[in-house]
Amino acid sequence: DADVTQTPRNRITKTGKRIMLECSQTKGHDRMYWYRQDPGLGLRLIYYSFDVKDINKGEISDGYSVSRQAQAKFSLSLESAIPNQTALYFCATSDPTEQEQFFGPGTRLTVL
Amino acid sequence: AQSVSQHNHHVILSEAASLELGCNYSYGGTVNLFWYVQYPGQHLQLLLKYFSGDPLVKGIKGFEAEFIKSKFSFNLRKPSVQWSDTAEYFCAVKGSNSGYALNFGKGTSLLVTP
Repeated sequence: DADVTQTPRNRITKTGKRIMLECSQTKGHDRMYWYRQDPGLGLRLIYYSFDVKDINKGEISDGYSVSRQAQAKFSLSLESAIPNQTALYFCATSDPTEQEQFFGPGTRLTVL
Repeated sequence: AQSVSQHNHHVILSEAASLELGCNYSYGGTVNLFWYVQYPGQHLQLLLKYFSGDPLVKGIKGFEAEFIKSKFSFNLRKPSVQWSDTAEYFCAVKGSNSGYALNFGKGTSLLVTP
């Protein structure tokens, strides 16, 4: 079974709709991250969380919000989706040593 | 400003050719360095990392990288590539004074032709 799972894997939505992307992990890690990947731009950090009560903005948090419902769950929301939020979204986890981040399979989001 | 630069955006090689992908960073202080790989349709996986010690680090699948502090570089190498190495490669840096976030380069797309 995958250690980091993301749902949905693909989503097409319309401008102005609210979207939630979910991430779950079974690695027992406290630290979780949300990135977006765009062609030619690499991965950019949206939000990160070091534990259930700790949420931090990343490089490109505008237009996004997150919720850390439990140690194992970290959700990303787009309150009102816009076309330039079309991207591949990855969730990742790590332990406090940060020796490695473990990535989920990604969610491909298209905003029309 | 802190940044990570990957010099080659697209690389095409024939099987058995040697590979070197460049990565330079602009950070003050201590850094932790990583190379991640993303095979087509898959998630990112760690190839190798450098935290301290021997600046020549070996990773999975025959990859290695050398940390050259004076050049702020962490180039990825493989003596002989295979078709299965076709993937996107990302250099990432975590600086001691950049909080806890990984800063990724823009990636290099490698295509290995038979």
